[in-house]
Amino acid sequence: SQQGEEDPQALSIQEGENATMNCSYKTSINNLQWYRQNSGRGLVHLILIRSNEREKHSGRLRVTLDTSKKSSSLLITASRAADTASYFCATDAERRFGAGTRLTVKP
Amino acid sequence: GAGVSQSPSNKVTEKGKDVELRCDPISGHTALYWYRQSLGQGLEFLIYFQGNSAPDKSGLPSDRFSAERTGGSVSTLTIQRTQQEDSAVYLCASSLAGPLTGQGKAFFGQGTRLTVV
Repeated sequence: SQQGEEDPQALSIQEGENATMNCSYKTSINNLQWYRQNSGRGLVHLILIRSNEREKHSGRLRVTLDTSKKSSSLLITASRAADTASYFCATDAERRFGAGTRLTVKP
Repeated sequence: GAGVSQSPSNKVTEKGKDVELRCDPISGHTALYWYRQSLGQGLEFLIYFQGNSAPDKSGLPSDRFSAERTGGSVSTLTIQRTQQEDSAVYLCASSLAGPLTGQGKAFFGQGTRLTVV
């Protein structure tokens, strides 16, 4: 079964708006990570949140983790056109990714 | 090297030929992963190496796919008798330690785009 299922599959917003993406997983984890992919090539690690953390910030990124619901959310505030990319989550097993959320930020 | 290096970056091959894809992980990273991504799709796990342990091959789609990791460093993914459905971007990633350490951060190469014609 897939770990790290993201929703929505696609999200289109205007520059300056906030974007929220969600991730669900199935098993116990030590940590959960969010990655970004531009143009169908390598993924770039964005942020890691450990199972004993509930919220973490990095610049315009805010990640929350609810281990009771086995879910996480990634919030990008004040979005920019350059944030246009696909976003994936993965748990510490790192062997399963979901289909990702395709974010489009319109200028 | 500074990052994960994959070669070639692009490969066009004829149906039925064998191909080898190479991944040079970050020096010192004990964990190495191969994924496949078809156009517009998510990442499909293929195989995972961790140190000297037996690799997790559970994601390999058929016995035409194999991978090895020599000396705990460079890895080669081999696809025999390629089919058109093998066309995809093949991504390699490495991380400092395996999944149970809580480190978790994986570094990805830029991938090899394989086209089978």
